[in-house]
Amino acid sequence: EVQLVESGGGLVQPGGSLRLSCAASGFTFSSYWMSWVRQAPGKGLEWVANIKQDGSEKYYVDSVKGRFTISRDNAKNSLYLQMNSLRAEDTAVYYCARDLTGQWLGFDPWGQGTLVTVSS
Amino acid sequence: SYELTQPPSVSVSPGQTARITCSGDALPKQYAYWYQQKPGQAPVLVIYKDSERPSGIPERFSGSSSGTTVTLTISGVQAEDEADYYCQSADSSGTVFGGGTKLTVL
Repeated sequence: EVQLVESGGGLVQPGGSLRLSCAASGFTFSSYWMSWVRQAPGKGLEWVANIKQDGSEKYYVDSVKGRFTISRDNAKNSLYLQMNSLRAEDTAVYYCARDLTGQWLGFDPWGQGTLVTVSS
Repeated sequence: SYELTQPPSVSVSPGQTARITCSGDALPKQYAYWYQQKPGQAPVLVIYKDSERPSGIPERFSGSSSGTTVTLTISGVQAEDEADYYCQSADSSGTVFGGGTKLTVL
């Protein structure tokens, strides 16, 4: 079964840091672009970042550039999101997702999500 | 930045047909994808490349494209189809999601 499982979310103070992880199973992880997508409480979906199969290309939404870093370890079938200088507006459920097309479209499957709350 | 526009809500009675639209200037040049999200759950891909249906998705889900608008059609709506639906497409600056449409089954 193709599966993604996120972990690492929690409550953090503004300005703090958090590292999210996504464990992949059931498919050849190293063959796919991977993305992080977030959803603020009661809001829609927002793409956050993605990374090429070998980690050589990474892209970010403008609002997180310079603060978030996406990475992957293909030997461990794992995706990561290092989040620094967190702000209240970063509060959201963070999902990892496999990019089926390699064209930043067609995300399937998605993990169950991990909640990040930025508050003092 | 690129935007995809969806109606905030659509309501239908069971057995009727629901149509959810998504408009964007780049849609004539780029495929659209559709996701279903039920409360407390992760999104699920229901339509890819404008009109293709992934395995396991019921046949009542279909997609179409015309100019700058794509449409998700759910024929014979069932109570279990009540959910939020999001379109997705891309332009040169990256991928973007529509604002989402809440489908209510009356």
